[in-house]
Amino acid sequence: GENVEQHPSTLSVQEGDSAVIKCTYSDSASNYFPWYKQELGKGPQLIIDIRSNVGEKKDQRIAVTLNKTAKHFSLHITETQPEDSAVYFCAASQHSGYSTLTFGKGTMLLVSP
Amino acid sequence: DSGVTQTPKHLITATGQRVTLRCSPRSGDLSVYWYQQSLDQGLQFLIQYYNGEERAKGNILERFSAQQFPDLHSELNLSSLELGDSALYFCASTSGQGGGADTQYFGPGTRLTVL
Repeated sequence: GENVEQHPSTLSVQEGDSAVIKCTYSDSASNYFPWYKQELGKGPQLIIDIRSNVGEKKDQRIAVTLNKTAKHFSLHITETQPEDSAVYFCAASQHSGYSTLTFGKGTMLLVSP
Repeated sequence: DSGVTQTPKHLITATGQRVTLRCSPRSGDLSVYWYQQSLDQGLQFLIQYYNGEERAKGNILERFSAQQFPDLHSELNLSSLELGDSALYFCASTSGQGGGADTQYFGPGTRLTVL
C-alpha cells in the first residue's frame, strides 16, 4: 500500500517568513495530493490540492509543487501569519476506484509574532 | 464549519467497555469515512461507507465495527476497549462514492479516553 513520509515534524518561523513542508510517497500510481490544515480542537480542513497532471498550483499565499519522477510534493506558505499556526497534513491517493487517502504524520507549524 | 457533525465531543470510559460514536455527513453527501488520530500514528483510515454499503476498509480492528443508516448518518462501534484505543476519532464525508480525489470534509471529532 501507499506510504507517505512528511518532514519536518515541527517548524518554527517568524511572522513574515516563508515555510516549506515536504512529503514523499511510495506508490507511483498515486495521482491526487491534498493538503489539510488542522487547528487545535478542530478537524482537518482542505487548504489546497494538486493532481499529477499539474506541477504547481497557487492560491494566494499558499502553493504546492509536485515532482512525480522523484515522488515528492511540497507545501509553501509565504508571508506567514500567526493564524497560520496549526498542524498541516499531506496525503496521497489514486484518483479513481476505491482508493482512499493515506496521510503523512503531520507538521506542527508555529508562527511567532 | 464543515457541515459534518459528530457526537459526543468527549467520551470517557473504562477498559473492556463498548461505546458508539455518531456522525452526520454534510447535506447531500453519500460517503462517510472514519479515521483514528493518535499522536504516534497520525490519521489512520478505518472504514468507508457509501449510501449504506461498506466501500473500503483500512486498518480497522475486529473489535471495531461501523454502519451507515438509511438517513446516511453513520455509527462507529468500539468494543472491548483497551487503553490504546484512546484517540481522536474523526468522520469525513464526500458527495462521491469514493476515489481519492473527492474532497473530504471532516467533522470536529470525538475524543475518546479509555481509563
